[in-house]
Amino acid sequence: NAGVTQTPKFQVLKTGQSMTLQCAQDMNHNSMYWYRQDPGMGLRLIYYSASEGTTDKGEVPNGYNVSRLNKREFSLRLESAAPSQTSVYFCASSEIQVSNQPQHFGDGTRLSIL
Amino acid sequence: DQQVKQNSPSLSVQEGRISILNCDYTNSMFDYFLWYKKYPAEGPTFLISISSIKDKNEDGRFTVFLNKSAKHLSLHIVPSQPGDSAVYFCAAENQGGKLIFGQGTELSVKP
Repeated sequence: NAGVTQTPKFQVLKTGQSMTLQCAQDMNHNSMYWYRQDPGMGLRLIYYSASEGTTDKGEVPNGYNVSRLNKREFSLRLESAAPSQTSVYFCASSEIQVSNQPQHFGDGTRLSIL
Repeated sequence: DQQVKQNSPSLSVQEGRISILNCDYTNSMFDYFLWYKKYPAEGPTFLISISSIKDKNEDGRFTVFLNKSAKHLSLHIVPSQPGDSAVYFCAAENQGGKLIFGQGTELSVKP
């Protein structure tokens, strides 16, 4: 009963290093999302993929890239990490990107950039 | 500009009493509103939702009320239990199907 699986759970990077956060879902969902959560700011959408083969920017896309590898997997890449990208990153999926389709979240990746 | 606001960072309630969590929004075009619950070191889990065409939705101990004229929604938990202690996020869904989250309210239910 995995749902949404994120790897790694924790990571420490140095400024300028690159990193790919992995996300996989086993619910046969069409839509997938990446969020970041910062203290006092709730969750903010970075990128999303409404269906396999499509990706679009969310509210805070700068400094990130994404790849929808297949229907199950959606990765988030930091090409040159900056301290401002220290955050908790959540991946989510939903059946389709319309109303009344709650998103299911993974347990997050805690990323620190020194 | 924060479109969805939860102005109370924390709330403490006695076990068995009612918990009321509040959320305000600015965009009258939001289609749907959802509440998520989050335990430490876990991802948010969906709790309850309400369509913009309704003013109340109930699921067991959880009821969400929507006041469109005031652009305000609230989550009522009755009776509150220690296991309800968590951070609660309200979220609004726009016409593109994307969620905009509030900052969260940390609920503590004391035995």
